[in-house]
Amino acid sequence: DSGVTQTPKHLITATGQRVTLRCSPRSGDLSVYWYQQSLDQGLQFLIQYYNGEERAKGNILERFSAQQFPDLHSELNLSSLELGDSALYFCASREGGGTGELFFGEGSRLTVL
Amino acid sequence: SQQGEEDPQALSIQEGENATMNCSYKTSINNLQWYRQNSGRGLVHLILIRSNEREKHSGRLRVTLDTSKKSSSLLITASRAADTASYFCATGPGTGNQFYFGTGTSLTVIP
Repeated sequence: DSGVTQTPKHLITATGQRVTLRCSPRSGDLSVYWYQQSLDQGLQFLIQYYNGEERAKGNILERFSAQQFPDLHSELNLSSLELGDSALYFCASREGGGTGELFFGEGSRLTVL
Repeated sequence: SQQGEEDPQALSIQEGENATMNCSYKTSINNLQWYRQNSGRGLVHLILIRSNEREKHSGRLRVTLDTSKKSSSLLITASRAADTASYFCATGPGTGNQFYFGTGTSLTVIP
């Protein structure tokens, strides 16, 4: 158990809909990272937050947004969903600065029909 | 893209054999990490090697790093069926605090 909790584990929805994925980082970890993993794209970095502030942005679509709340949990919002958004979405956390490892949650599997 | 690449993409070996996976990356690094992912599960950190280290061991894992060639290798000795998973190398945090993951090697260990 990595200590990172993601909900929901599975989600099936229709095109055009909006979903919210939730991540609770390890206790004490200030940084949260979001990744998308699909079969043909590998592990793609989406966005990172540190102590409530956005710190880095990767290949995140404009239809996607995220935030980190004062209690350090984070939410990834996906809207106007398309079939191609079907993927595993991972959240990872780490303490903050330095060279520490990432601790991954078990992911949220999104299926868009 | 600053992603690394693992080689081979897929590897199938018999239980008891050694498995070697390679990773190449593109930018200067402070450290390189290896992660393991069981099918459909989250990634789990295996080992970190710093840029001033050439080799590191952890149990049945041996990692080497050649910064001049921008490459690393992961050796799993005496493999077990339970080692069946995908293995990823990652560099970072780099510019913008990102971690860059390779494309992964899918390892199958046949009992």
